[in-house]
Amino acid sequence: EDQVTQSPEALRLQEGESSSLNCSYTVSGLRGLFWYRQDPGKGPEFLFTLYSAGEEKEKERLKATLTKKESFLHITAPKPEDSATYLCAVQDWGDKIIFGKGTRLHILP
Amino acid sequence: NAGVTQTPKFQVLKTGQSMTLQCAQDMNHEYMSWYRQDPGMGLRLIHYSVGAGITDQGEVPNGYNVSRSTTEDFPLRLLSAAPSQTSVYFCASSTQQGPFEAFFGQGTRLTVV
Repeated sequence: EDQVTQSPEALRLQEGESSSLNCSYTVSGLRGLFWYRQDPGKGPEFLFTLYSAGEEKEKERLKATLTKKESFLHITAPKPEDSATYLCAVQDWGDKIIFGKGTRLHILP
Repeated sequence: NAGVTQTPKFQVLKTGQSMTLQCAQDMNHEYMSWYRQDPGMGLRLIHYSVGAGITDQGEVPNGYNVSRSTTEDFPLRLLSAAPSQTSVYFCASSTQQGPFEAFFGQGTRLTVV
């Protein structure tokens, strides 16, 4: 059964303290793995799409990586404006889409 | 550029009432979808459309109806509201089927009493 598990559920960091968020997935055939950011009361905002193991993508302080079982979202020297919920999702080749429950990230100034 | 616009932002319904959640996009995207977001759960796909005149069911379609008469608009209809449909609803559009670089609306918070 296709499944997406994000950890930790919540994370508090000091400004400048780098860390990683994890997205473990089980899918019959991966068409794409997606990372989104969601601010309170807003819709999700697209960050990255990863297609195959070994792929990496970067955007400002964020870097997403992918293996055959999990993806990491690395946050380098975060700032308070990086505080948000980060969502991971997968889509298989049957076009089934599964979103994880998200990781709530809080960056303290 | 407005992106994806959802109306209303908030709505309270009584059990058994019907209503339509509106969604419009101005990016000429073929693919549009509706999700619901509940506390402690991931986003779940309700219905989607790959183009005008074509719709299909997602993971949780029961109690909802959709149509796609134009590329721009993709309304979601609740036929007879139930308390289990209390949720935040998001409309999204993209150039490919699925959450590939999807643009989401701001959401509609629906409460059914």
